[in-house]
Amino acid sequence: QVQLRQSGPGLVKPSQTLSLTCAISGDSVSSDTAAWNWIRQSPSRGLEWLGRTYYRSGWSYDYAGSLGSRIKISADTSKNQFSLQLNSVTPDDTAVYYCASGWALTWGQGTLVTVSS
Amino acid sequence: EIVMTQSPDSLAVSLGERATINCKSSHGILFTSENRESLAWYQQKPGQPPKLLITRASSRYSGVPDRFSGSGSGRDFTLTISSLQAEDVAVYYCQQYYAVPLTFGGGTKVEIK
Repeated sequence: QVQLRQSGPGLVKPSQTLSLTCAISGDSVSSDTAAWNWIRQSPSRGLEWLGRTYYRSGWSYDYAGSLGSRIKISADTSKNQFSLQLNSVTPDDTAVYYCASGWALTWGQGTLVTVSS
Repeated sequence: EIVMTQSPDSLAVSLGERATINCKSSHGILFTSENRESLAWYQQKPGQPPKLLITRASSRYSGVPDRFSGSGSGRDFTLTISSLQAEDVAVYYCQQYYAVPLTFGGGTKVEIK
């Protein structure tokens, strides 16, 4: 059974970049049947899917349109992990961020990220 | 974007009684090649990530007690807790995985009456 362990800072300054990593055990980031997602949760937005990556014959990426070009998800096969970068953050990006696997999702433990100076 | 609408926002049920939560999708979410509804249900307790309960609208995930059941098709789906236990106090969410962006309902808070 896949397990996900998140890491990254809990405090980010406005206009800077939020970076989180999700380490995978029990599966491979380059599995051709898996998908690797980032989701956030806040009182104002509820559960909001941010994007995903998956490997079939090559890497594919899907992103939530609301984030525009601010988001980037990447995979590191050597470390069996995937990462989230969200640029130009504002206080509105304050949320609990989760990584999750699949389509019906298995979740990491969550990271509260606060955007504040 | 497929909008998921849950009702009610909250409900209070006596221990041992039935709890029923509804979820409506704005579009059909039937994955026709596999004849499965692309709908999941989750339970979330304070300070924890959501926990997967139901996939394919009606399939209980591994380890989920059989008092939890899912039903529905088309655009209308239901999660039923047949006999509410104290440990079932939580917020419950539906989610469609038919298309990106994956989308979630707003949640239903279940409490003990």
